[in-house]
Amino acid sequence: GAGVSQSPRYKVAKRGQDVALRCDPISGHVSLFWYQQALGQGPEFLTYFQNEAQLDKSGLPSDRFFAERPEGSVSTLKIQRTQQEDSAVYLCASSLGRGIIYEQYFGPGTRLTVT
Amino acid sequence: AQSVTQLGSHVSVSEGALVLLRCNYSSSVPPYLFWYVQYPNQGLQLLLKYTSAATLVKGINGFEAEFKKSETSFHLTKPSAHMSDAAEYFCAVSEEGMDTGRRALTFGSGTRLQVQP
Repeated sequence: GAGVSQSPRYKVAKRGQDVALRCDPISGHVSLFWYQQALGQGPEFLTYFQNEAQLDKSGLPSDRFFAERPEGSVSTLKIQRTQQEDSAVYLCASSLGRGIIYEQYFGPGTRLTVT
Repeated sequence: AQSVTQLGSHVSVSEGALVLLRCNYSSSVPPYLFWYVQYPNQGLQLLLKYTSAATLVKGINGFEAEFKKSETSFHLTKPSAHMSDAAEYFCAVSEEGMDTGRRALTFGSGTRLQVQP
């Protein structure tokens, strides 16, 4: 594809509901990142995949957050029993290679609002 | 641990004036540094990056940044602001040398640039 796409673009969930956010990276990109961006803040790292392997999940704020990339392409970030503090924009980024010198290309994000 | 501080959450300049957005970093090893721009309802776009080559880095849209190790700074500049430069700008750092497998970026809190006509 032309770029990283994310769906849905907007999601409103009632507190306690489960949500699933999808990321379609650029075709052939090995690395995939999820970030959380609270209102008025910079993005904060959640988790990192290299192909299908989740190599770093140190940024996931609680065990309610779960991410997967089973075939090394599309990734899903799932949040169980959503809380108001989960309201944020969730950004996905992909890069061609493993090293940091490879540019991370960001998707437009999914804005999650928990009411 | 690495961190980034962006001084000034809001900066306002007149069209045609110099743009200066400040970024200071903290890193235990030589870092890789980045500036990203974010337009409303869009993803982040890379403006430029420093990867231990030339200390003066030129990016897109006329922006440049200078890596100053002695000051632990990586300020973003543009000689003449344009209305289309109005956006949110983020400085970010990553430490390639650490054997953690971590490839993520650590972002500053952002600076919103306003350009007055």
